[in-house]
Amino acid sequence: EPEVTQTPSHQVTQMGQEVILRCVPISNHLYFYWYRQILGQKVEFLVSFYNNEISEKSEIFDDQFSVERPDGSNFTLKIRSTKLEDSAMYFCASSEPGHSGEKLFFGSGTQLSVL
Amino acid sequence: QQQVKQSPQSLIVQKGGISIINCAYENTAFDYFPWYQQFPGKGPALLIAIRPDVSEKKEGRFTISFNKSAKQFSLHIMDSQPGDSATYFCAASFTGYSSASKIIFGSGTRLSIRP
Repeated sequence: EPEVTQTPSHQVTQMGQEVILRCVPISNHLYFYWYRQILGQKVEFLVSFYNNEISEKSEIFDDQFSVERPDGSNFTLKIRSTKLEDSAMYFCASSEPGHSGEKLFFGSGTQLSVL
Repeated sequence: QQQVKQSPQSLIVQKGGISIINCAYENTAFDYFPWYQQFPGKGPALLIAIRPDVSEKKEGRFTISFNKSAKQFSLHIMDSQPGDSATYFCAASFTGYSSASKIIFGSGTRLSIRP
């Protein structure tokens, strides 16, 4: 079964450093998302992306965050200058054509620890 | 207005019993209501979903009951099994848009099934 792949599974970084979280969505999917989950808490929306541009972003997704689809397969989340409160599990998700807002397939996540 | 409120926060059910998780929403423009299941260290996975034009949807042991007038919906797990022990999230979204429409998650319910 096709799946969303995220790398790395764990990322440890120093406060103020830049990190790039990588995702390979399911190949025929057109809608892409980043969510984050602080340990044991709710899954929070960060940003959605379609047709090479951001569709929507949350208040969390400030100027320190950016997303990119540099080629036909990868979808990346960059945090320019990490803060302690950015420590969380980051999930990438995608959905297929005609299913915007439904049937999101999630990756297994990248656990980001900012020290 | 875009919140989805979920209860209880945690639930313990005997094997073979019925697990019931409840959610409420405010925005009547939501038109898709999924439930996601999450195991530790994994991303959420779509379990079952309903649209507001039906009052109930059943898939195997999992049933969604939907009350449009009360703006509430619930997940019922019949004959609960230890393998059902996971965190369950209700969610809501707007669909049918050409851009990438987000899914908004409830706060989650940690379900434990006692053998």
